[in-house]
Amino acid sequence: KAGVTQTPRYLIKTRGQQVTLSCSPISGHRSVSWYQQTPGQGLQFLFEYFSETQRNKGNFPGRFSGRQFSNSRSEMNVSTLELGDSALYLCASSLESSTDTQYFGPGTRLTVL
Amino acid sequence: GENVEQHPSTLSVQEGDSAVIKCTYSDSASNYFPWYKQELGKGPQLIIDIRSNVGEKKDQRIAVTLNKTAKHFSLHITETQPEDSAVYFCAARADYFGNEKLTFGTGTRLTIIP
Repeated sequence: KAGVTQTPRYLIKTRGQQVTLSCSPISGHRSVSWYQQTPGQGLQFLFEYFSETQRNKGNFPGRFSGRQFSNSRSEMNVSTLELGDSALYLCASSLESSTDTQYFGPGTRLTVL
Repeated sequence: GENVEQHPSTLSVQEGDSAVIKCTYSDSASNYFPWYKQELGKGPQLIIDIRSNVGEKKDQRIAVTLNKTAKHFSLHITETQPEDSAVYFCAARADYFGNEKLTFGTGTRLTIIP
């Protein structure tokens, strides 16, 4: 069974731009969670989607948003990029809910210049 | 909210020796404690997890112990091998409706010395 896939793997943007990242969960998994990983803050929860609805949300500003499609694929968007948004963005999928075991993708490395 | 502390931040052990990483958590309602291994350029990979109704769990060279009274849990790796070198993260989760999220520790960089 294929694992969680994320595209693109690397991205370079400039301040003020916006970016969209994509995540395809493991086949059959319906819950998708997003995390931001930085050297200073570690792994921080952004939000979780299930059945095309945001079910849980972390403490990030409204510039960070996401959505989920009927096939469980998910996208996250960051608008008005800031230098501090440079990070590894990780997607994790689980079977039914975030209380099930989460499996992570390889991440998208975003660099904001 | 939940707070997870992880120690040590770096750990070097001789190949064949054991490694122990410790985590404490703050929310007494937390009931699920996974451990992830992250290698360079990859996402975290689940290596073992434990739920609050169990005190210890073992999988080959890896074991996790949980002390709910003291709110701490530990990862034990025995007979370490070079491929065990990576960053290890502990995490905790409490299943409050609408707040089921993993809170991660800050990570331990484990280096196995051949």
